[in-house]
Amino acid sequence: GAVVSQHPSRVICKSGTSVKIECRSLDFQATTMFWYRQFPKQSLMLMATSNEGSKATYEQGVEKDKFLINHASLTLSTLTVTSAHPEDSSFYICSARVYGTSGGRNTGELFFGEGSRLTVL
Amino acid sequence: AQSVAQPEDQVNVAEGNPLTVKCTYSVSGNPYLFWYVQYPNRGLQFLLKYITGDNLVKGSYGFEAEFNKSQTSFHLKKPSALVSDSALYFCAVRDTNTGRRALTFGSGTRLQVQP
Repeated sequence: GAVVSQHPSRVICKSGTSVKIECRSLDFQATTMFWYRQFPKQSLMLMATSNEGSKATYEQGVEKDKFLINHASLTLSTLTVTSAHPEDSSFYICSARVYGTSGGRNTGELFFGEGSRLTVL
Repeated sequence: AQSVAQPEDQVNVAEGNPLTVKCTYSVSGNPYLFWYVQYPNRGLQFLLKYITGDNLVKGSYGFEAEFNKSQTSFHLKKPSALVSDSALYFCAVRDTNTGRRALTFGSGTRLQVQP
């Protein structure tokens, strides 16, 4: 299947610093990428939809100024956690859609990165 | 709004026995349905999807799922479980009636296969 690479896989930072997480589609172009957050033993919660060349669309309750998303190219989206605090500690997972159609609709499944575990001290 | 329910937090099964992981969904239009598996500290791996057509969908690693519209279910099955199948399984849905492109995930079911 398609490959999505996420970096770094683990990051530990001090409270108040900013952390950038990269998500790359390695063998396909992704006009849309999705950022999810997963708390321990819980499901994935969609944070935002990243659109190449335009602003990200954030889910309700997600602070856009705290979680900066940039999708500057068809193969790269970045998530920057600004002024991180311990409550931002979580597993962040990006995903990208492989384009596939059925009757004109995009039916492609999502392929996921390996995730980035952020620990804020 | 679209939603997914996975009623079991954990499923235990002996190696070699058949397994079922349950999933029900709620959408306003026609659903696209997906199953993903997650190993510890890893991202999600795609197993299979239902878009249209045959209600029985076959996927990776011998897994299959049956779409049942009347019961709004999409249970994941495998005829003979392996210890290596032990992982966290997520069901996900996309409602074709909305403009929403992201998937909504269930709460996950931990599958434990005992040797």
